[in-house]
Amino acid sequence: DIQVTQSPSTLSASVGDRVSITCRASQTIGSWLAWYQQKPGKVPQLLIYKASTLYSEVPSRFSASRSGTEFTLTISSLQPDDFATYYCQQYHNYPWTFGQGTKLDIK
Amino acid sequence: QVQLQESGPGLVKPSETLSLICNVSGVSINTYSWTWIRQSPGKGLESIACLYNSGGTDYNPTLNSRVTLSIDSSKNQFSLKLSSVTTADTAVYYCASQVPTGYLLQWGQGTLVTVSS
Repeated sequence: DIQVTQSPSTLSASVGDRVSITCRASQTIGSWLAWYQQKPGKVPQLLIYKASTLYSEVPSRFSASRSGTEFTLTISSLQPDDFATYYCQQYHNYPWTFGQGTKLDIK
Repeated sequence: QVQLQESGPGLVKPSETLSLICNVSGVSINTYSWTWIRQSPGKGLESIACLYNSGGTDYNPTLNSRVTLSIDSSKNQFSLKLSSVTTADTAVYYCASQVPTGYLLQWGQGTLVTVSS
């Protein structure tokens, strides 16, 4: 299986901050990586696919990029609604594998 | 609007078979590919298996021998059976729609399945 290492596991930030979360794949996966947001008690919601393509109706403060096997999700100016847990998922090879998650909480 | 809803027993005894159904509404089940994911505190999010709209399937090798997938187009639903369960199979089980390449579009609300005697 392709391993996806996500960091940090927790991130404390304030409204208005710019934050970044990173996922590193254990082998090349091209751009086959997605990002999801999960709020407590809710299901994951797709934010980004194909490494950097914003999904429908996702706010433009979310962006993502790829450099080799390293992928970064950036939130340019944190809003109260953004405090949640974020996961990356590789879909280059099945089984799809997910990062362990980054819990973004209010500082 | 596409909606998915899992149903099935919330408690399964060790060595028995876990059976879940995912009811799909708002779209024909022939439109997308479909997948099962589970989430547990110890193992995070884990892919179980998926059904492609081409008719193919993929299984997580760690679960492969225990997993059975099926689809019922007449009822617009698909199902998962996981045999010989142990306490390690305790998790929230999600069904989700998937584009053929593999990212997940919509998720069901999830159903907690506890394996315990």
